[in-house]
Amino acid sequence: SYVLTQPPSVSVSPGQTATITCSGDKLGFRNCCWYQQRPGQSPVVVIYQDNKRPSGIPERFSGSNSGNTATLTISGTQAMDEADYYCQTWDSNTAWVFGGGTKLTIL
Amino acid sequence: EVQLVESGGGLVKPGGSLRLSCEVSGFTFTNAWMSWVRQAPGKGLEWVAQIKSESQGGTTDYAAPVKGRLTISRDDAKNTLYLQMHSLKTEDTAVYYCATEYGDSHFDYWGQGTLVTVSS
Repeated sequence: SYVLTQPPSVSVSPGQTATITCSGDKLGFRNCCWYQQRPGQSPVVVIYQDNKRPSGIPERFSGSNSGNTATLTISGTQAMDEADYYCQTWDSNTAWVFGGGTKLTIL
Repeated sequence: EVQLVESGGGLVKPGGSLRLSCEVSGFTFTNAWMSWVRQAPGKGLEWVAQIKSESQGGTTDYAAPVKGRLTISRDDAKNTLYLQMHSLKTEDTAVYYCATEYGDSHFDYWGQGTLVTVSS
């Protein structure tokens, strides 16, 4: 089965850039997306198809995907960005696959 | 406005059954591919099941841990998605979300979730 691996936690200071990675075999050949989940809330997609932002998502959220790693970058992080982030892709054998999630802490 | 509203969660004993519903509005449900995703307490997201639109055969797919015990279905006339759960185990305890699929790209809309607790 296909596996996506994320670091359990990332910490940044307010205003700094947060980088969250997601690793999987030849992930760069697949579409990857990212969800933000604040405590007690449902997930919200912040990046889809590697680097596209849905309407309403701030420009400080960006994404890339190449080789075996997809990356979510949050520039100028704010307190409201503190949340869990999950990457996701589609696999023909496993169907939908989520990464284990990364807890972003704004120090 | 797109809305997905889950219901049917609750406390059930191991080996028991439960049926979850997800009533949708604000988009053409008939054309939608839908999924159920669950999240155990304090854990990450886990995809559970998918159902394609009837025009795509209404075919279903399941995650290995639930195959044979959970059944996804839809009633397009009622704009409602279902998840029938049998032979429940303690490890099925989770918040269950329904979500709409945007092709093989991502899930674009999610419900608020319904909590299923399997405990004796």
